[in-house]
Order: sequence, then C-alpha cells, then structure tokens
Amino acid sequence: IAGITQAPTSQILAAGRRMTLRCTQDMRHNAMYWYRQDLGLGLRLIHYSNTAGTTGKGEVPDGYSVSRANTDDFPLTLASAVPSQTSVYFCASSEDIGGVGELFFGEGSRLTVL
Amino acid sequence: GQNIDQPTEMTATEGAIVQINCTYQTSGFNGLFWYQQHAGEAPTFLSYNVLDGLEEKGRFSSFLSRSKGYSYLLLKELQMKDSASYLCAVRDSNYQLIWGAGTKLIIKP
Repeated sequence: IAGITQAPTSQILAAGRRMTLRCTQDMRHNAMYWYRQDLGLGLRLIHYSNTAGTTGKGEVPDGYSVSRANTDDFPLTLASAVPSQTSVYFCASSEDIGGVGELFFGEGSRLTVL
Repeated sequence: GQNIDQPTEMTATEGAIVQINCTYQTSGFNGLFWYQQHAGEAPTFLSYNVLDGLEEKGRFSSFLSRSKGYSYLLLKELQMKDSASYLCAVRDSNYQLIWGAGTKLIIKP
C-alpha cells in the first residue's frame, strides 16, 4: 500500500541521548515535512524539504536536524534529547510545496524523553 | 503574528448537522485546508478552498470567505464515526501551512 512509513511507532528515551526518527514515502513526492503535535497546540513545522538535496527550517527547528539524500527518505534527528521534545511526531509529504496538493501523513512516532 | 482560531470542543447528536468555524490572520493566503484526525491516528485530508464559496463533498462541505478571514466545515447526517478532531490550516504567502489547534467533535447517540 502506497504511503508514508514512520519508525519507531513509539519510543522512551533518556535525556541527552541521540535519536533518529525514520520516514520513508513511496509516492515520489517532492516535498516532505516533519511536524510535532502537542496537546492544545496546532501542528508545528520542524523542518521541511522542497526536493531531494534541499532542506529548510520550520517554526520550531532548534534541537532537530534533517537530511534529504534521496526522494524517499527524510529522517529527523534529535542530537541530544530534552524532556520538552516529548511529543508526537508526524512526517508528511506532498507533490510539491505549493499547489493544491494535500499533505499525506505517516502514522506518527510518539516520543517520550525522561 | 499568524493565528488560526477554532473552537476547542463541540458536541452534536447523531443524525444532526454541525458547523465548525475557523478564523485566520496570516501573512498572505494561498488556500485553506480541513483535515480530520481520529484519536491516536494521523490527520487525513477532507477539503481544500482557495476561492470564496462553498465546496461540497458528500456529507461534508467547506466554505471560505477570504475578505472575512473565515471558513467553516459543515458536517451533515452525523455518524458516530465522525467523532474526531477537525484541523483547519491556512497556506501563507511562503506556502507554509499554519495549523489551528483543532476542534474535538463529540457525537452523542
């Protein structure tokens, strides 16, 4: 089934540890995104990529890094996790940044930092 | 700053009609989206408006007034499965999506 796959589904992590959330899409979409979702807040954009080889900072990029080596993969890395990074993380993709194309979301990765 | 406002929670009865409002103040406008998100699941696309007026899709309709910075999502013939959060999002002048916090819709029998 075509779509976006995220891993892990959930993870408990000690503060200070490094963590990479994986995201793979098979729709050949150009644009990919990482959001975090916290109770009472809207989805907040962490980083995005317009196309393979390029990345950009979103609204809340501090403490996170991304890479886009190819069209399909867009991993998100927390270099040294802190408790405030406890959240649900969603990876998403769209055909392009603009246009009428909607975002397709992965199932989310629930991260708890202790 | 950019802001999207939606009611936090609404309750409606199975079989009835409910309207979920969304007001926005953003830097530019390049379309408004509505997404549905069931608890513990990913958001899924419902509708897209870029021009003023009503877009109808089955039991769901979405309305936009750009001059008023206002949209609503209308759900008809409510079913229990419509219990979910409904997210309003506006694409700004930089083509970034600005998201509201979502409206949790509770359907009662």
